[in-house]
Amino acid sequence: EPEVTQTPSHQVTQMGQEVILRCVPISNHLYFYWYRQILGQKVEFLVSFYNNEISEKSEIFDDQFSVERPDGSNFTLKIRSTKLEDSAMYFCASKREQRAPEAFFGQGTRLTVV
Amino acid sequence: DAKTTQPPSMDCAEGRAANLPCNHSTISGNEYVYWYRQIHSQGPQYIIHGLKNNETNEMASLIITEDRKSSTLILPHATLRDTAVYYCIVRGQDTGNQFYFGTGTSLTVIP
Repeated sequence: EPEVTQTPSHQVTQMGQEVILRCVPISNHLYFYWYRQILGQKVEFLVSFYNNEISEKSEIFDDQFSVERPDGSNFTLKIRSTKLEDSAMYFCASKREQRAPEAFFGQGTRLTVV
Repeated sequence: DAKTTQPPSMDCAEGRAANLPCNHSTISGNEYVYWYRQIHSQGPQYIIHGLKNNETNEMASLIITEDRKSSTLILPHATLRDTAVYYCIVRGQDTGNQFYFGTGTSLTVIP
């Protein structure tokens, strides 16, 4: 069964450093997403991406964040200057089309900012 | 998107049916009911969705009341691997891209 894969599974970084979280969505999917979940809290939407541009973003997704689809397979989330409060689980998801009910989520990257 | 209300936690004996309720009294006519679950910090997993008819797939059944103000997700024979947080989400098919995950119901399946 096709799946969304995320790397690395765990990333530790120092405050102020840049991190790039990587995702490989399912190959025939067109809509891509990043969500995050701070430990013990809700899963929160960050951004959606379609046709090589951001289609929607939340208030959390400020200028420190950016997304990119550098080639036909990878989808990345960059945090420019990490803060302690960026420590969370980051989930990538993809959907075949906008109306598709099922979003496929990856297993997540646990980001720890120290 | 309409707001949903779910009990914070439930227990279910292994092998029995787990019935997870969800209230969505402000649902509008074009909004669907979706269920996802999250097993211990893994990525959320789609379970089932419906508009007004009851739905069944290999994972679960979804029962939606006639007035559509509430629904119940049924896991017919719960196993220990069904222990997870279950999210009921109401949204239109074409309204935005994201799913809003609330606090869900933490289901514990007891041996």
